[in-house]
Amino acid sequence: GENVEQHPSTLSVQEGDSAVIKCTYSDSASNYFPWYKQELGKRPQLIIDIRSNVGEKKDQRIAVTLNKTAKHFSLHITETQPEDSAVYFCAASFSISGNQFYFGTGTSLTVIP
Amino acid sequence: GAVVSQHPSRVICKSGTSVKIECRSLDFQATTMFWYRQFPKQSLMLMATSNEGSKATYEQGVEKDKFLINHASLTLSTLTVTSAHPEDSSFYICSADGTLGGYTFGSGTRLTVV
Repeated sequence: GENVEQHPSTLSVQEGDSAVIKCTYSDSASNYFPWYKQELGKRPQLIIDIRSNVGEKKDQRIAVTLNKTAKHFSLHITETQPEDSAVYFCAASFSISGNQFYFGTGTSLTVIP
Repeated sequence: GAVVSQHPSRVICKSGTSVKIECRSLDFQATTMFWYRQFPKQSLMLMATSNEGSKATYEQGVEKDKFLINHASLTLSTLTVTSAHPEDSSFYICSADGTLGGYTFGSGTRLTVV
């Protein structure tokens, strides 16, 4: 089965700096990679996703890059704000729907004002 | 957008009793729902895949007789934790296919077994 690894487990940055979270996956058949933000006790919220036919996707301060050859993908948050503080999970799936996600272990991001 | 309603949000039960958690897709039909479990400060672990009208598929290590899943309609899936014990205390969350692709998560259920 698929195995997703995520690093770092915790990350602290100063407000305004950038944050980068990296994930690797094991199954080359995976082709959909969403990122979720989860605040304490709440449901995960999809913040950005990328499909395997795309190398990079950007949405305002958030961007995701994918390297299919190396089987890794990264989340980049620029100009971080205190409200970005949360746990972020990467995931991999064989398709955008109909299949379960395999989640990374999560990164607790703290943005220091 | 797609909305998944999950109830209850919090439940405290005595050891040995059963608890039922419901997930409803409010504005779309969900042929497939997924049930996850999340321990504090840990990732979401898939427990089972629920398909409408058929038996759920459980992940390795998940006791199907303890965690009963029923997906009787295209809008409702239920997870029943039978004979709950303190070690079953966790955050349980469901997800379903969203109309725009990807998945929509329910709001989660915090189960505490005392």
